[in-house]
Amino acid sequence: AQTVTQSQPEMSVQEAETVTLSCTYDTSESDYYLFWYKQPPSRQMILVIRQEAYKQQNATENRFSVNFQKAAKSFSLKISDSQLGDAAMYFCAYMGSGYALNFGKGTSLLVTP
Amino acid sequence: DAGITQSPRHKVTETGTPVTLRCHQTENHRYMYWYRQDPGHGLRLIHYSYGVKDTDKGEVSDGYSVSRSKTEDFLLTLESATSSQTSVYFCAAHSGGEAFFGQGTRLTVV
Repeated sequence: AQTVTQSQPEMSVQEAETVTLSCTYDTSESDYYLFWYKQPPSRQMILVIRQEAYKQQNATENRFSVNFQKAAKSFSLKISDSQLGDAAMYFCAYMGSGYALNFGKGTSLLVTP
Repeated sequence: DAGITQSPRHKVTETGTPVTLRCHQTENHRYMYWYRQDPGHGLRLIHYSYGVKDTDKGEVSDGYSVSRSKTEDFLLTLESATSSQTSVYFCAAHSGGEAFFGQGTRLTVV
């Protein structure tokens, strides 16, 4: 199974500042999807952003953007202008040709006023 | 939840009893998944399905079985529940490059 690694169990950012969450993955495939999901205390899983590996352009969704480095197998999430509502667990996930969706262990993001 | 419903939402059961969790979807997604979420482990894939009667194991499949007799329903069965299976279980369904999740089931095995 493909491995997804999130090396930061916890991160902290001040309101209005920028924070970057790291994710690396291991795969031998060339075509796949990568995702960042947000899980607030409500436990709901919310899709933040998605990247298709064949697209070289980094995905962006409002204040959220990714730095996708295919050769390095790195997929980091940048949150700009952080808000209190961004506080949550963030999960990186990989989906390859077998369509199994595999997650990292998550990064807990704390946003301080 | 994009049409993904899990039942029950909460369950307490005794060690050694069988338990079945149900996932129902209304959007005709082809792929469906069962995960367990435990502190420090993120979401770990138990089993997934890529079509009716087509299933495969994930990384933590021991002690679990699944069935998918129709597109909309994906059942997860714990044949003989153990305390190590106390967890929050999530169902997800995928199509078009996005996975949608149910609200989760908190299962406690005492």
